Amino acid sequence: QKEVEQNSGPLSVPEGAIASLNCTYSDRGSQSFFWYRQYSGKSPELIMSIYSNGDKEDGRFTAQLNKASQYVSLLIRDSQPSDSATYLCAVTGSARQLTFGSGTQLTVLP
Amino acid sequence: AAGVIQSPRHLIKEKRETATLKCYPIPRHDTVYWYQQGPGQDPQFLISFYEKMQSDKGSIPDRFSAQQFSDYHSELNMSSLELGDSALYFCASSPSIKNIQYFGAGTRLSVL
Repeated sequence: QKEVEQNSGPLSVPEGAIASLNCTYSDRGSQSFFWYRQYSGKSPELIMSIYSNGDKEDGRFTAQLNKASQYVSLLIRDSQPSDSATYLCAVTGSARQLTFGSGTQLTVLP
Repeated sequence: AAGVIQSPRHLIKEKRETATLKCYPIPRHDTVYWYQQGPGQDPQFLISFYEKMQSDKGSIPDRFSAQQFSDYHSELNMSSLELGDSALYFCASSPSIKNIQYFGAGTRLSVL
């Protein structure tokens, strides 16, 4: 079992809809949580970071963290075709290297 | 804003050859991480450096070595290349005061 699991997808949503991406992690010692967006053949781009329980909003993006359930999610409101990419959930513990999930491929249909 | 610079962007090598990948972190970032991403896979942590000292080691083969220099740039040296080393290699940098990593554009290594 991977340390970080994501809903496998692919996920398709119509333009303007809300896309919901989910991630669970196995290490209760995990301290920091990130969502990266990666276009095919490109590098991961940081979308959101979250460090404490609750919601964090940045523009159209909202990250939610529940450490008791070992669960982190990303909501994308008013999805745009340009949001079509693979979304990687990543966590760090006391050591700061990122452990990634396998990614969820999102397609936003015009 | 300045980003993480990696060179070269593309590299083609033969089996058993050596390769050197370079990474220039964002100014005032003192920590560098190296990741390997195979086709269809998620990035896997290789090694990291903080203030020119190795800080953590992941799934880095013994054939690979890396170091961070006084100007904080880092180099990943890969020897006895194998076909399975073909991948995207990303460098990320971070300021030690903040646990957040920014990635470079990557080096695509093809081993023939």
